[in-house]
Amino acid sequence: AQKVTQAQTEISVVEKEDVTLDCVYETRDTTYYLFWYKQPPSGELVFLIRRNSFDEQNEISGRYSWNFQKSTSSFNFTITASQVVDSAVYFCALSEEKSNTGKLIFGQGTTLQVKP
Amino acid sequence: DAGVIQSPRHEVTEMGQEVTLRCKPISGHNSLFWYRQTMMRGLELLIYFNNNVPIDDSGMPEDRFSAKMPNASFSTLKIQPSEPRDSAVYFCASSPGTAPGNTIYFGEGSWLTVV
Repeated sequence: AQKVTQAQTEISVVEKEDVTLDCVYETRDTTYYLFWYKQPPSGELVFLIRRNSFDEQNEISGRYSWNFQKSTSSFNFTITASQVVDSAVYFCALSEEKSNTGKLIFGQGTTLQVKP
Repeated sequence: DAGVIQSPRHEVTEMGQEVTLRCKPISGHNSLFWYRQTMMRGLELLIYFNNNVPIDDSGMPEDRFSAKMPNASFSTLKIQPSEPRDSAVYFCASSPGTAPGNTIYFGEGSWLTVV
């Protein structure tokens, strides 16, 4: 069965610290897609990144980086030099090719608090 | 470019009243999703439309919930009669194409409180 686990419920760091948000997924599909979304205090869900199962290259976008490892079924998200504006709930999500719908299975989310 | 537009942003209603949530997907997107977010259950898919046709409504909680998509630029989610346990944030989302793996873009959500 498909499942996404974000074991860290809440993380609190001080500004400028690096922080890694963990995401572990389960799927029997050989083709699948992984996503990260950010939900700031204002409530909207903001798309951050999409990765398919055949692309294990790590990705960096500014202070954000993602580490995809199929061997451990993980897709972790690191924020370097965190800022107060990074405070939000972050969701990891999975979409399976076999679903044929693009339906996203979300993790429970990790609340990140960045203190000044 | 306009994103997914939802209305109302906030609604407070009394138990038993009808609630209608509205959504305008991103122009050109032909997949539309309604998700619900609660503290207990997190984000869960309610219904998925493709080319205005409901494809998967297995997440719709019960008969009190109904969703329509009369055309490519408009969808509604209706709750009748509403109950306090329906209090949640309801997100509409859209994506281009029908293939799995397409990025799904979310609206700002409709925050519903049923008292």
